[in-house]
Amino acid sequence: EDKVVQSPLSLVVHEGDTVTLNCSYEVTNFRSLLWYKQEKKAPTFLFMLTSSGIEKKSGRLSSILDKKELSSILNITATQTGDSAIYLCAVEEGRTGNQFYFGTGTSLTVIP
Amino acid sequence: NAGVTQTPKFRVLKTGQSMTLLCAQDMNHEYMYWYRQDPGMGLRLIHYSVGEGTTAKGEVPDGYNVSRLKKQNFLLGLESAAPSQTSVYFCASIKGTTYSSGANVLTFGAGSRLTVL
Repeated sequence: EDKVVQSPLSLVVHEGDTVTLNCSYEVTNFRSLLWYKQEKKAPTFLFMLTSSGIEKKSGRLSSILDKKELSSILNITATQTGDSAIYLCAVEEGRTGNQFYFGTGTSLTVIP
Repeated sequence: NAGVTQTPKFRVLKTGQSMTLLCAQDMNHEYMYWYRQDPGMGLRLIHYSVGEGTTAKGEVPDGYNVSRLKKQNFLLGLESAAPSQTSVYFCASIKGTTYSSGANVLTFGAGSRLTVL
């Protein structure tokens, strides 16, 4: 069964729009949730969330975790063409090996 | 500081051939992982290692073998390549020491694109 589910699978917006990406998870020993951005190469780290309700922010990007709802959102305001990428959500499970489970990603395309 | 380095970056194989992907990290990380990424499937864990001399199976281990003879290196082998193994392979690592709450961020290599004909 899918441990990490992301929605939507893809999104096309115009520059300046605000987008919200969703990630829901189901793991038995949650340690952290991570967001990555992938632009045709290796994923690059955006945020790590461990506590519910505490927003992490970096420029136009922000993210928050809801442990009660087993979910997280990634917001991007005033989108730019450079935000076009696949956004991956991963959940760290705290058992042997600290396994990380990834969602299938959300493909974001920002049109000028 | 190179981080995580994967070689080769690209490779084309014929069905039945064997090959090894090398992952090297210079961050003194304990835990290393091999993932494959296919369209619409996200990243799936093949094998991982929690330290030198140890390996374990992930979600999709069939057809692959791994070795961690040195702490800094994690090798992924395909003994008899199949077209279903055409994919992009990523190596990643974390420090992996005991911590109170998630403090480990996966650091990825640049990826290795493998095509099996």
